[in-house]
Amino acid sequence: KNEVEQSPQNLTAQEGEFITINCSYSVGISALHWLQQHPGGGIVSLFMLSSGKKKHGRLIATINIQEKHSSLHITASHPRDSAVYICAGGGPGGGADGLTFGKGTHLIIQP
Amino acid sequence: NAGVTQTPKFQVLKTGQSMTLQCAQDMNHEYMSWYRQDPGMGLRLIHYSVGAGITDQGEVPNGYNVSRSTTEDFPLRLLSAAPSQTSVYFCASSTRALGGINIQYFGAGTRLSVL
Repeated sequence: KNEVEQSPQNLTAQEGEFITINCSYSVGISALHWLQQHPGGGIVSLFMLSSGKKKHGRLIATINIQEKHSSLHITASHPRDSAVYICAGGGPGGGADGLTFGKGTHLIIQP
Repeated sequence: NAGVTQTPKFQVLKTGQSMTLQCAQDMNHEYMSWYRQDPGMGLRLIHYSVGAGITDQGEVPNGYNVSRSTTEDFPLRLLSAAPSQTSVYFCASSTRALGGINIQYFGAGTRLSVL
């Protein structure tokens, strides 16, 4: 059974701080997804990666395949970054047969 | 494009009632999935489909049925609602992107309460 573990569960930081959220995953997961869930409940995909590093604006996602570990970084954090960030793993099918989700990290950025 | 559309947004049922949660996507995606989200737990896969006419069970399929008669629609049926099915339900669709990873698109969710 695929497993995904996220940490921390909750994170409160001040505006401008550098944020790191970590994700560990089990053998059998070949691709990682980082998702954002807004307070209203909607879920959007931020990154998909199976190797290396991806960057979009102030968000950076990295993955270490050997250590089965991924991180999501937010630079120059802002209150609008407050959301739940979710790590999810897909199997060899690329996620066609569904994803395995972590429990999420509830991030609050205070002004 | 509307993306992934879920209806209804909210529903209250009595124990034993049946209902269907609707999910439709207009992106011609091959793959669709249903998840439930409960407090303190990650989203869990209920059922998924890799194409019209093909469905399979996920992690928590008991009490739910699905069918995929068209590419666009993937309804989730609760046969006899139970309080344990109180949850927020998300439908997702995906397609294979470069690199072999599926890009996931989620509906806005259906908040279901079973009394």
